[in-house]
Amino acid sequence: AQKVTQAQTEISVVEKEDVTLDCVYETRDTTYYLFWYKQPPSGELVFLIRRNSFDEQNEISGRYSWNFQKSTSSFNFTITASQVVDSAVYFCALTHDSNYQLIWGAGTKLIIKP
Amino acid sequence: DAGITQSPRHKVTETGTPVTLRCHQTENHRYMYWYRQDPGHGLRLIHYSYGVKDTDKGEVSDGYSVSRSKTEDFLLTLESATSSQTSVYFCAIRGGGTEAFFGQGTRLTVV
Repeated sequence: AQKVTQAQTEISVVEKEDVTLDCVYETRDTTYYLFWYKQPPSGELVFLIRRNSFDEQNEISGRYSWNFQKSTSSFNFTITASQVVDSAVYFCALTHDSNYQLIWGAGTKLIIKP
Repeated sequence: DAGITQSPRHKVTETGTPVTLRCHQTENHRYMYWYRQDPGHGLRLIHYSYGVKDTDKGEVSDGYSVSRSKTEDFLLTLESATSSQTSVYFCAIRGGGTEAFFGQGTRLTVV
């Protein structure tokens, strides 16, 4: 069965702190894709990153970085020097089949306090 | 802007009435999806389409039907709305890669 677990329901930090959001996935497939999406208070879903199962290189984009480790089935997301605008719900998702159906984690609500 | 429009954005309806939500894309993409979002569940797939008149069920398809008569439009119908279908509904398209791009969402309340 395919499954995505985001064990952290809510995280609250003070602005400028670093924060890591955890994502653990389960799949039997050798080819799959992992994603992170951001849902700000306004409600839209914003695509952040895609990773395929054959590419374990870490990715950095500004203050955002992602750590993909197949050995632990994890795809964690770190925000460095957090800002109030980073406050949102963040979702990790997995797709594995030819129709690209997404399987979602329950999301982590991130609160950045000024 | 991925060129996806959902209508209506908000709707309140009574139990037992039929409801149709519309998703319109301007990108000519083959794959379209309907998800629902409920607290504590993330998003769950209702139905998807891989072409005109080609649709299939997702994880939570009971009580829902879909139609796709044109590439640009994907309709979601609740045959007889129930309170358990109160949710936020998102339409998505698959872009050129594997990532999905989402509409703004429709908040449906069944009273």
